[in-house]
Amino acid sequence: EAQVTQNPRYLITVTGKKLTVTCSQNMNHEYMSWYRQDPGLGLRQIYYSMNVEVTDKGDVPEGYKVSRKEKRNFPLILESPSPNQTSLYFCASSSPGPGSSGANVLTFGAGSRLTVL
Amino acid sequence: DQQVKQNSPSLSVQEGRISILNCDYTNSMFDYFLWYKKYPAEGPTFLISISSIKDKNEDGRFTVFLNKSAKHLSLHIVPSQPGDSAVYFCAANTGANSKLTFGKGITLSVRP
Repeated sequence: EAQVTQNPRYLITVTGKKLTVTCSQNMNHEYMSWYRQDPGLGLRQIYYSMNVEVTDKGDVPEGYKVSRKEKRNFPLILESPSPNQTSLYFCASSSPGPGSSGANVLTFGAGSRLTVL
Repeated sequence: DQQVKQNSPSLSVQEGRISILNCDYTNSMFDYFLWYKKYPAEGPTFLISISSIKDKNEDGRFTVFLNKSAKHLSLHIVPSQPGDSAVYFCAANTGANSKLTFGKGITLSVRP
């Protein structure tokens, strides 16, 4: 089944304790992205990657890191989590290659709900 | 600067009636517009899209209309069903840039 898999789905942690949310897709997609969803703010992009070893900041990158060493994986790293990073996180992927045009139809994971105390 | 706007946070309609969800945008460079549907505890799923060279795209009960001069699009659901109750996100991207920009979403409730 074509899918984007995120782990963990739920996590409660404390301020300053480094954590990683993993994301893996099995569709051979070039493009991957992380979003966070907050009440009243919708979906905001954190980071994205056009292909292996190519990453760039989205709208709200502060406090996050990413890496894209393999095409299928795009982990989100919170080096020193803070309470304002409590949110619902979504990983997504799609097939447009760099420089291609067309509607960017993203496939989303099921989400990871993170609480930072 | 919010480039994709969904100004109404919620909409409630009777089963069988039409649901009209609105979306406005400010970036005239957007070439493609998409609608996503999201149920609780699930990720958003793609519903329907439209290219800026068209003014209408239909898929079953779902139709998206685009008015480029007004920078406005709308999603029509006819007839509405209780299973359509969800959060609907409007999104857009340019042809040369894969970044998808989302609106804040609108919660649709379809009453039996």
